[in-house]
Amino acid sequence: EVQLVESGGGLVQPGGSLRLSCAASGFTFRNYDMHWVRHITGIGLEWVSSIDTSGDSFYSGSVKGRFTISRENAKNSLYLQMNNLRAGDTAIYYCARDSGIYLGRASDIWGQGTMVNVSS
Amino acid sequence: DIQMTQSPSSLSASVGDSVTITCRASQTISDYLNWYQQTPGKAPKLLIYAASSLQSGVPSRFSGSGSGTDFTLTISSLQPEDFATYSCQQTYNTPRTFGQGTKVEIK
Repeated sequence: EVQLVESGGGLVQPGGSLRLSCAASGFTFRNYDMHWVRHITGIGLEWVSSIDTSGDSFYSGSVKGRFTISRENAKNSLYLQMNNLRAGDTAIYYCARDSGIYLGRASDIWGQGTMVNVSS
Repeated sequence: DIQMTQSPSSLSASVGDSVTITCRASQTISDYLNWYQQTPGKAPKLLIYAASSLQSGVPSRFSGSGSGTDFTLTISSLQPEDFATYSCQQTYNTPRTFGQGTKVEIK
Protein backbone atom coordinates (compact mmCIF):
# COMPACT_ATOMS: atom_id res chain seq x y z
CA GLU A 1 0.00 0.00 0.00
CA VAL A 2 1.26 3.44 -0.94
CA GLN A 3 1.51 5.41 2.30
CA LEU A 4 2.96 8.51 3.93
CA VAL A 5 3.12 8.83 7.70
CA GLU A 6 4.11 12.09 9.38
CA SER A 7 5.44 12.51 12.90
CA GLY A 8 7.17 15.08 15.06
CA GLY A 9 4.45 17.65 15.64
CA GLY A 10 3.63 19.11 19.02
CA LEU A 11 3.38 22.19 21.19
CA VAL A 12 6.30 24.60 20.99
CA GLN A 13 6.90 28.12 22.25
CA PRO A 14 7.40 31.01 19.85
CA GLY A 15 11.02 31.07 18.70
CA GLY A 16 11.37 27.33 19.24
CA SER A 17 12.16 24.54 16.81
CA LEU A 18 10.61 21.28 15.65
CA ARG A 19 11.62 18.63 13.15
CA LEU A 20 8.86 16.90 11.23
CA SER A 21 9.40 13.52 9.61
CA CYS A 22 7.50 11.70 6.89
CA ALA A 23 7.98 7.99 6.31
CA ALA A 24 7.13 6.74 2.83
CA SER A 25 6.25 3.20 1.85
CA GLY A 26 4.77 1.30 -1.06
CA PHE A 27 6.55 3.25 -3.81
CA THR A 28 10.08 4.10 -4.99
CA PHE A 29 10.59 7.20 -2.88
CA ARG A 30 13.76 8.41 -4.62
CA ASN A 31 11.89 8.78 -7.92
CA TYR A 32 9.42 11.37 -6.67
CA ASP A 33 9.50 15.05 -5.80
CA MET A 34 7.95 15.65 -2.39
CA HIS A 35 6.11 18.49 -0.68
CA TRP A 36 5.10 19.85 2.69
CA VAL A 37 1.68 21.52 2.76
CA ARG A 38 -0.05 22.95 5.81
CA HIS A 39 -3.68 23.59 6.68
CA ILE A 40 -4.25 26.68 8.76
CA THR A 41 -7.64 26.92 10.45
CA GLY A 42 -9.72 29.66 8.93
CA ILE A 43 -7.33 30.17 6.03
CA GLY A 44 -7.05 26.85 4.21
CA LEU A 45 -4.26 24.99 2.51
CA GLU A 46 -0.83 26.58 2.07
CA TRP A 47 2.09 25.09 0.16
CA VAL A 48 5.19 25.26 2.38
CA SER A 49 8.13 23.60 0.67
CA SER A 50 9.21 21.12 -1.99
CA ILE A 51 12.26 19.02 -2.71
CA ASP A 52 12.92 17.40 -6.05
CA THR A 53 14.63 14.12 -6.82
CA SER A 54 17.97 15.90 -7.18
CA GLY A 55 17.67 17.41 -3.72
CA ASP A 56 16.91 20.94 -4.90
CA SER A 57 14.59 22.69 -2.47
CA PHE A 58 11.97 25.42 -2.73
CA TYR A 59 10.14 27.42 -0.08
CA SER A 60 7.21 29.74 0.37
CA GLY A 61 8.12 33.29 1.24
CA SER A 62 6.59 32.96 4.70
CA VAL A 63 9.01 30.19 5.77
CA LYS A 64 12.11 30.85 3.69
CA GLY A 65 15.14 31.23 5.92
CA ARG A 66 13.40 29.52 8.86
CA PHE A 67 12.43 26.09 7.50
CA THR A 68 14.65 23.50 5.80
CA ILE A 69 13.35 20.56 3.80
CA SER A 70 15.50 17.49 3.29
CA ARG A 71 15.20 13.87 2.25
CA GLU A 72 17.01 10.64 3.01
CA ASN A 73 16.30 8.25 0.17
CA ALA A 74 18.01 5.32 1.88
CA LYS A 75 15.44 5.62 4.67
CA ASN A 76 12.49 6.56 2.44
CA SER A 77 12.08 9.65 4.56
CA LEU A 78 11.27 13.34 4.15
CA TYR A 79 11.99 15.96 6.79
CA LEU A 80 11.09 19.54 7.64
CA GLN A 81 13.30 21.37 10.11
CA MET A 82 11.36 24.33 11.47
CA ASN A 83 13.23 27.04 13.37
CA ASN A 84 12.20 30.37 14.87
CA LEU A 85 8.57 29.24 14.92
CA ARG A 86 5.81 31.82 15.08
CA ALA A 87 2.16 31.68 16.10
CA GLY A 88 1.24 31.94 12.42
CA ASP A 89 2.95 28.60 11.79
CA THR A 90 0.29 26.82 13.86
CA ALA A 91 -1.27 24.31 11.48
CA ILE A 92 -1.64 20.70 10.51
CA TYR A 93 1.37 19.79 8.38
CA TYR A 94 1.04 17.24 5.60
CA CYS A 95 3.66 15.61 3.47
CA ALA A 96 2.56 14.85 -0.05
CA ARG A 97 3.92 13.06 -3.09
CA ASP A 98 4.20 14.83 -6.45
CA SER A 99 2.55 12.93 -9.28
CA GLY A 100 5.07 14.13 -11.86
CA ILE A 101 4.95 16.45 -14.85
CA TYR A 102 2.86 14.10 -17.02
CA LEU A 103 0.12 14.04 -14.37
CA GLY A 104 -0.14 17.76 -13.69
CA ARG A 105 2.44 17.83 -10.90
CA ALA A 106 -0.44 17.29 -8.50
CA SER A 107 -0.11 16.01 -4.96
CA ASP A 108 -1.59 12.56 -5.40
CA ILE A 109 -0.68 10.89 -2.09
CA TRP A 110 -0.99 12.61 1.30
CA GLY A 111 -0.10 11.64 4.82
CA GLN A 112 -2.55 11.91 7.69
CA GLY A 113 -0.93 15.10 8.96
CA THR A 114 0.80 16.16 12.15
CA MET A 115 -0.31 19.09 14.30
CA VAL A 116 2.08 21.91 15.13
CA ASN A 117 0.93 24.36 17.80
CA VAL A 118 3.09 27.40 18.44
CA SER A 119 2.01 29.03 21.66
CA SER A 120 3.40 30.36 24.91
CA ASP B 1 3.36 34.83 -6.89
CA ILE B 2 0.29 33.59 -8.75
CA GLN B 3 -2.92 34.34 -6.85
CA MET B 4 -5.73 31.81 -7.01
CA THR B 5 -9.25 33.10 -6.36
CA GLN B 6 -12.11 30.69 -5.81
CA SER B 7 -15.79 31.48 -5.85
CA PRO B 8 -18.03 31.15 -4.07
CA SER B 9 -16.36 30.79 -0.67
CA SER B 10 -19.29 28.67 0.45
CA LEU B 11 -22.52 27.32 -0.94
CA SER B 12 -25.53 25.36 0.26
CA ALA B 13 -26.98 22.59 -1.85
CA SER B 14 -29.14 19.51 -1.59
CA VAL B 15 -28.40 15.89 -2.35
CA GLY B 16 -28.90 15.41 -6.07
CA ASP B 17 -28.07 19.00 -7.00
CA SER B 18 -25.38 19.95 -9.48
CA VAL B 19 -22.84 22.51 -8.27
CA THR B 20 -20.06 24.43 -9.96
CA ILE B 21 -17.06 26.02 -8.29
CA THR B 22 -14.78 28.41 -10.14
CA CYS B 23 -11.09 29.15 -9.73
CA ARG B 24 -9.32 32.07 -11.39
CA ALA B 25 -5.56 32.51 -11.66
CA SER B 26 -3.93 35.93 -11.62
CA GLN B 27 -1.90 34.95 -14.70
CA THR B 28 -2.03 32.16 -17.23
CA ILE B 29 -1.18 28.72 -15.87
CA SER B 30 -1.96 26.63 -18.95
CA ASP B 31 -3.67 23.52 -17.55
CA TYR B 32 -1.56 23.21 -14.40
CA LEU B 33 -4.61 23.27 -12.17
CA ASN B 34 -5.64 20.62 -9.68
CA TRP B 35 -8.67 20.20 -7.43
CA TYR B 36 -8.73 18.68 -3.95
CA GLN B 37 -11.48 17.67 -1.55
CA GLN B 38 -11.05 17.86 2.20
CA THR B 39 -13.36 16.84 5.01
CA PRO B 40 -12.78 17.80 8.66
CA GLY B 41 -9.98 15.83 10.29
CA LYS B 42 -8.86 14.21 7.06
CA ALA B 43 -6.08 14.82 4.57
CA PRO B 44 -6.84 16.45 1.23
CA LYS B 45 -7.77 14.09 -1.57
CA LEU B 46 -6.86 14.70 -5.19
CA LEU B 47 -9.93 14.78 -7.44
CA ILE B 48 -8.87 16.36 -10.72
CA TYR B 49 -5.39 16.96 -12.12
CA ALA B 50 -4.26 18.90 -15.18
CA ALA B 51 -7.54 20.84 -15.14
CA SER B 52 -9.75 18.08 -16.49
CA SER B 53 -8.30 14.63 -15.79
CA LEU B 54 -10.12 12.51 -13.25
CA GLN B 55 -7.85 10.95 -10.62
CA SER B 56 -8.10 7.18 -10.41
CA GLY B 57 -10.88 6.02 -8.11
CA VAL B 58 -12.75 9.35 -8.09
CA PRO B 59 -16.43 9.09 -9.10
CA SER B 60 -17.34 10.32 -12.56
CA ARG B 61 -19.80 12.87 -11.14
CA PHE B 62 -16.73 15.06 -10.59
CA SER B 63 -15.45 16.92 -13.62
CA GLY B 64 -13.09 19.78 -14.31
CA SER B 65 -12.62 22.17 -17.18
CA GLY B 66 -10.73 25.27 -18.19
CA SER B 67 -7.36 26.47 -19.36
CA GLY B 68 -5.30 29.62 -19.06
CA THR B 69 -6.77 31.56 -16.16
CA ASP B 70 -10.33 30.31 -15.65
CA PHE B 71 -11.27 26.88 -14.36
CA THR B 72 -14.33 25.10 -13.02
CA LEU B 73 -15.07 22.06 -10.90
CA THR B 74 -18.52 20.57 -11.36
CA ILE B 75 -20.16 17.99 -9.16
CA SER B 76 -23.22 16.52 -10.81
CA SER B 77 -25.81 14.94 -8.52
CA LEU B 78 -24.30 15.72 -5.10
CA GLN B 79 -24.01 12.78 -2.74
CA PRO B 80 -23.94 12.96 1.08
CA GLU B 81 -20.19 12.22 1.12
CA ASP B 82 -19.52 15.21 -1.18
CA PHE B 83 -20.25 17.81 1.49
CA ALA B 84 -16.72 19.04 2.07
CA THR B 85 -14.28 21.84 1.26
CA TYR B 86 -12.85 22.02 -2.25
CA SER B 87 -9.59 23.76 -3.09
CA CYS B 88 -7.82 24.47 -6.33
CA GLN B 89 -4.02 24.61 -6.67
CA GLN B 90 -1.81 25.82 -9.47
CA THR B 91 1.34 23.84 -10.18
CA TYR B 92 2.52 26.03 -13.07
CA ASN B 93 5.27 27.49 -10.94
CA THR B 94 6.57 27.89 -7.41
CA PRO B 95 5.10 28.85 -4.96
CA ARG B 96 2.35 26.35 -5.73
CA THR B 97 -0.51 28.46 -4.49
CA PHE B 98 -3.94 27.23 -3.42
CA GLY B 99 -7.27 28.94 -3.64
CA GLN B 100 -8.92 29.83 -0.35
CA GLY B 101 -11.35 26.94 -0.55
CA THR B 102 -15.08 26.52 -1.15
CA LYS B 103 -17.16 24.89 1.55
CA VAL B 104 -20.10 22.89 0.20
CA GLU B 105 -22.76 22.57 2.89
CA ILE B 106 -26.05 20.77 3.14
CA LYS B 107 -29.09 22.96 2.52
